[in-house]
Amino acid sequence: EIVLTQSPGTLSLSPGERAALSCRASQSVSNSHLAWYQQKPGQAPRLLIYGASSRATGIPDRFSGSGSGTDFTLTISRLEPEDFAVYFCQQYASSHTFGQGTRLEIK
Amino acid sequence: QVQLQQSGPGLVKPSQTLSLTCAISGDSVSSNNAAWNWIRQSPSRGLEWLGRTYYRSKWYSDYAVSVKSRITINSDTSKNQFSLQLSSVTPEDTAVYYCTRGWGYTSWGQGTLVTVSS
Repeated sequence: EIVLTQSPGTLSLSPGERAALSCRASQSVSNSHLAWYQQKPGQAPRLLIYGASSRATGIPDRFSGSGSGTDFTLTISRLEPEDFAVYFCQQYASSHTFGQGTRLEIK
Repeated sequence: QVQLQQSGPGLVKPSQTLSLTCAISGDSVSSNNAAWNWIRQSPSRGLEWLGRTYYRSKWYSDYAVSVKSRITINSDTSKNQFSLQLSSVTPEDTAVYYCTRGWGYTSWGQGTLVTVSS
């Protein structure tokens, strides 16, 4: 099973700042089959990025994904108030597994 | 736009079978380019993929190792829906259960909190 480790656990930033969230895999994720999700309290997660770097439909261009192999990053270029939430990575190359999440909170 | 609507009980007794259904609108359960998943989320286990079903000239299902001996995911083409059955539940199976579409999950059901308790 591919284990995904996200860091940091909590990230405290201010609106307008840039956020970089890391997801590291225990083995290579083939074909960059990696996705990122945003989850707000009481809601289902929402797909942001698939294929490591492709934005899902309707996702603002301030969200971008990068990386390959075992190291992946979600970058939010300029934080908006609605971006403060929990973010998960997921791999779907070998079965499906999720990271434990990064909480992005307002500083 | 694909929408998924979940139904099923929110309370299940220990040792019984948890059953949930996910009705699909905007797509077909027998689509040749979709897969239909069940996921759960709990504070102790985080997000956990349970299994999926999909149609590629015939039906396939595959399951997470952690629940493989207890899980069945079926499809019902007449109702355009798919279902989850998880047998011999314990309190550790208490979670919010979601149905989803795809590999990167483009569509999610609304979630069902299932509590395992006597």
